Amino acid sequence: KAGVTQTPRYLIKTRGQQVTLSCSPISGHRSVSWYQQTPGQGLQFLFEYFSETQRNKGNFPGRFSGRQFSNSRSEMNVSTLELGDSALYLCASSLDRGITDTQYFGPGTRLTVL
Amino acid sequence: DQQVKQNSPSLSVQEGRISILNCDYTNSMFDYFLWYKKYPAEGPTFLISISSIKDKNEDGRFTVFLNKSAKHLSLHIVPSQPGDSAVYFCAASAGNTPLVFGKGTRLSVIA
Repeated sequence: KAGVTQTPRYLIKTRGQQVTLSCSPISGHRSVSWYQQTPGQGLQFLFEYFSETQRNKGNFPGRFSGRQFSNSRSEMNVSTLELGDSALYLCASSLDRGITDTQYFGPGTRLTVL
Repeated sequence: DQQVKQNSPSLSVQEGRISILNCDYTNSMFDYFLWYKKYPAEGPTFLISISSIKDKNEDGRFTVFLNKSAKHLSLHIVPSQPGDSAVYFCAASAGNTPLVFGKGTRLSVIA
């Protein structure tokens, strides 16, 4: 079974631009969560989508948004990029985000904002 | 306010010895805890979990201990192997809320 895939793997943008990252979950998984990983903050939860609906949202500004398609693939968008948005963005999928459900992570997209 | 804390950014252990990684939490509502391992250029990989109704869970060389009264959990790796060298993240959840991660501990197992 193929794992979680994320595209692109690396991205360089400049301040003020916007970016869209893509995540394809494991086949059959309906929940997709996004995390931001930075050296100083560890992994921080951005949002979770389940059946095309945002089910949970972390404490990030409205510049960060996402969506999920009917095939469970998900995208996240960051508008008006800031230097501090440079990070590894990780996507994780699970069958359903129940309490004992394991999340499987993709390799991440490394975003650098110049 | 950090709800899940891994106070040791790094740990070095000799091959064959025990590695003990620690994690403290502040939210008494957390009832499910997990450990993830992360190699460079890869996403985190689930390692082991424990529910708050247990105080120990074992899987091969990996054992997680939970001390609810102290709000503390630990991951024991015995024996440690060079391939265990990675960053280890502790995570916690309350009900169906999103996982809250610690900042990670970098484990180096020296041959």
